[in-house]
Amino acid sequence: DSGVTQTPKHLITATGQRVTLRCSPRSGDLSVYWYQQSLDQGLQFLIQYYNGEERAKGNILERFSAQQFPDLHSELNLSSLELGDSALYFCASSPMDRGRELFFGEGSRLTVL
Amino acid sequence: GIQVEQSPPDLILQEGANSTLRCNFSDSVNNLQWFHQNPWGQLINLFYIPSGTKQNGRLSATTVATERYSLLYISSSQTTDSGVYFCAVRRGGADGLTFGKGTHLIIQP
Repeated sequence: DSGVTQTPKHLITATGQRVTLRCSPRSGDLSVYWYQQSLDQGLQFLIQYYNGEERAKGNILERFSAQQFPDLHSELNLSSLELGDSALYFCASSPMDRGRELFFGEGSRLTVL
Repeated sequence: GIQVEQSPPDLILQEGANSTLRCNFSDSVNNLQWFHQNPWGQLINLFYIPSGTKQNGRLSATTVATERYSLLYISSSQTTDSGVYFCAVRRGGADGLTFGKGTHLIIQP
């Protein structure tokens, strides 16, 4: 158990819908990262938050957004869903802004039908 | 961005065999991690090893930062070692970890 909690574990929805994925980082960790794992793109970095502020952006689509709340949990919002958004979405946390080890949650598996 | 290449892409071994997985990266890094993704999709931390050598039971890893590669050694393989092994790196001041495509390891009984 990494200490990073993600909900829901599985989610099935239809094209055009909107979903929210939730992540609670390890106790004491200030950084939260979101990753997408799909069969064709592999594991891709989406976005990082540190202590409530956006710190880095990767290959995140404009239809996707995220935020980190004062209690440090984070949410990833996916809207206008397409079939290609079906993937495993991981959250990771680390104690610091840069460097140091990242610990991953068990992921949220999204299926868009 | 930084390129991460892992080899071999696939590896099939008998239980009890030893293996070496390689990760080459194209730029200097301040973070290198090895992960095992099990058949249920969980990403399990194996090593945080931006440089040097570490050992944990049957697994060990070495990163030679000046030559931009890292090796993961698995000894006396067990069927539970099956899965995909990922190397991931981050440059100083850069964004999130960049992952390689992984080595898919199958250990047969």
